[in-house]
Amino acid sequence: NAGVTQTPKFQVLKTGQSMTLQCAQDMNHEYMSWYRQDPGMGLRLIHYSVGAGITDQGEVPNGYNVSRSTTEDFPLRLLSAAPSQTSVYFCASSPSANYGYTFGSGTRLTVV
Amino acid sequence: DAKTTQPNSMESNEEEPVHLPCNHSTISGTDYIHWYRQLPSQGPEYVIHGLTSNVNNRMASLAIAEDRKSSTLILHRATLRDAAVYYCILLKAGTASKLTFGTGTRLQVTL
Repeated sequence: NAGVTQTPKFQVLKTGQSMTLQCAQDMNHEYMSWYRQDPGMGLRLIHYSVGAGITDQGEVPNGYNVSRSTTEDFPLRLLSAAPSQTSVYFCASSPSANYGYTFGSGTRLTVV
Repeated sequence: DAKTTQPNSMESNEEEPVHLPCNHSTISGTDYIHWYRQLPSQGPEYVIHGLTSNVNNRMASLAIAEDRKSSTLILHRATLRDAAVYYCILLKAGTASKLTFGTGTRLQVTL
């Protein structure tokens, strides 16, 4: 099993550009989440999903969209990148509530 | 939502046990206690979780106070690879799991 795979690992965007961060898991987990981590800080929840077709907002959803058309994939879209979105983004998945989450290795995004 | 309180940092010598404390005085009866750790430049890693009873796995042990207002993550023999930030997180049972990360405890392990 590959676990949680995030692509790309690094990305530089210009202000105003859009892009999609990819997240895929091969463990048939129902729960998936996106977090961002700014330097020296803890992780903050952006969006999460409890199953295909079901998504909801987390703590810091503004500027981001998500969809969950399959169990395996949970892409995160940046609509119009801003320097404030410079961060490391982590995707995570879990089989259900009350189980541990498996995290991906992260995408380091810089917006200039 | 119930909050957790952890020391900012701790130090340990290699091959000695480490006890990482967490206070959660406002915990509710349906909150699970989860621990994650984050090694430098990596994503968080699940360590262990429990509800009322003490728990053991290959990575660590979790000791939960009888009143559940505090818990302790125990690393039985610290190694240099255990140097990380350790997060204590409460998750409410039966709801969508939304991990809320605080600032955690930075564990330094020295020879």
